[in-house]
Amino acid sequence: SQTIHQWPATLVQPVGSPLSLECTVEGTSNPNLYWYRQAAGRGLQLLFYSVGIGQISSEVPQNLSASRPQDRQFILSSKKLLLSDSGFYLCAWSSGTGGEKLFFGSGTQLSVL
Amino acid sequence: AQSVTQPDIHITVSEGASLELRCNYSYGATPYLFWYVQSPGQGLQLLLKYFSGDTLVQGIKGFEAEFKRSQSSFNLRKPSVHWSDAAEYFCAVITNTDKLIFGTGTRLQVFP
Repeated sequence: SQTIHQWPATLVQPVGSPLSLECTVEGTSNPNLYWYRQAAGRGLQLLFYSVGIGQISSEVPQNLSASRPQDRQFILSSKKLLLSDSGFYLCAWSSGTGGEKLFFGSGTQLSVL
Repeated sequence: AQSVTQPDIHITVSEGASLELRCNYSYGATPYLFWYVQSPGQGLQLLLKYFSGDTLVQGIKGFEAEFKRSQSSFNLRKPSVHWSDAAEYFCAVITNTDKLIFGTGTRLQVFP
């Protein structure tokens, strides 16, 4: 069966520090991978989207970047965190066949202080 | 561009009352539509989805939603709300390139 792992669950980082959130998927191949952020009062915002290794689409200009070094690994990074980067980050994957199978990770609560 | 609008940021209902959460979408073709629920401290859970066929879709936890093409809407309903339904609800649409676009969410409070 397919599973998705996202870590860490919570993270407190000082302003200006780097960030690396990792997401891995098991039990499937060539998934579509997503990074979403849920900020207070703003709902879920699509940050990055990937249909394959090395293929990253950025949806909004920001202080973050994403990489997909392996088929089932999706990494969200920042060189220098800002206060506005605080929020709840969700990784997700789909089978790429119209959304019939769409799974979310458990999320990472990031607090930038 | 595809988009999803949830006009109500916050809704409060009494336990046992009926509920309707509004969702409007903007999409040129027949959309794939979803409703998700996020309980405090938990991840997202799929309530129901619409791809085609019967426009009234039944989901988990007693929820249903009706797709109305003429109104570009996919409102979520429940006949009788329980206190455990208090959560944040998200409507979403899948685009033709498999991107899942969410609305801004509606926070539901339930009073006893």
